[in-house]
Amino acid sequence: NAGVTQTPKFRILKIGQSMTLQCTQDMNHNYMYWYRQDPGMGLKLIYYSVGAGITDKGEVPNGYNVSRSTTEDFPLRLELAAPSQTSVYFCASSHPPEWGQGTLTEAFFGQGTRLTVV
Amino acid sequence: SQKIEQNSEALNIQEGKTATLTCNYTNYSPAYLQWYRQDPGRGPVFLLLIRENEKEKRKERLKVTFDTTLKQSLFHITASQPADSATYLCALARNTGGFKTIFGAGTRLFVKA
Repeated sequence: NAGVTQTPKFRILKIGQSMTLQCTQDMNHNYMYWYRQDPGMGLKLIYYSVGAGITDKGEVPNGYNVSRSTTEDFPLRLELAAPSQTSVYFCASSHPPEWGQGTLTEAFFGQGTRLTVV
Repeated sequence: SQKIEQNSEALNIQEGKTATLTCNYTNYSPAYLQWYRQDPGRGPVFLLLIRENEKEKRKERLKVTFDTTLKQSLFHITASQPADSATYLCALARNTGGFKTIFGAGTRLFVKA
């Protein structure tokens, strides 16, 4: 099982460059998320999506954009890279919470993309 | 603002002992709480979930408690092994107009043989 796949694993960008972090999942999850993790800090939610065509901002959306044209894919776009965006980025997916119906709501994470902006 | 606190200091214990990790939160009313394990260079891996109406959950050597009055969760690993060495993340979530999970910074656990 592939699960959640992120590419690339590592990337170095120059200030002002743009790039897209790719994320795809094969579990037919409706919910997908992008997090960033800085050293010694918790995961911060950048954007999330509850289904194809629907996205919403998380805690730290500035400087990023997302799209969700299919259930499987949820790319994250950095338009003008800044040193503050140096971080490890994780994509995750899950079923909807469906609270009270016993549905598992765990999130499955990709391996991460380590991005350095210089 | 919402805040999750986990002990930032690493926890060092001897093999075979019980490791206890703490997660405290403020300004939040989670529907449920999750614990994840994260190894260096890897994404978090789900371990356990406990709902707000549950006091305790067990899975093999793992036990989680959830006290919504104290706003605290305790995560126990019994009969710890060196392979349990990792960072453990606490995460809170509620289903309000979307589904947002907030994560703590994690506690690093070292189990010595």
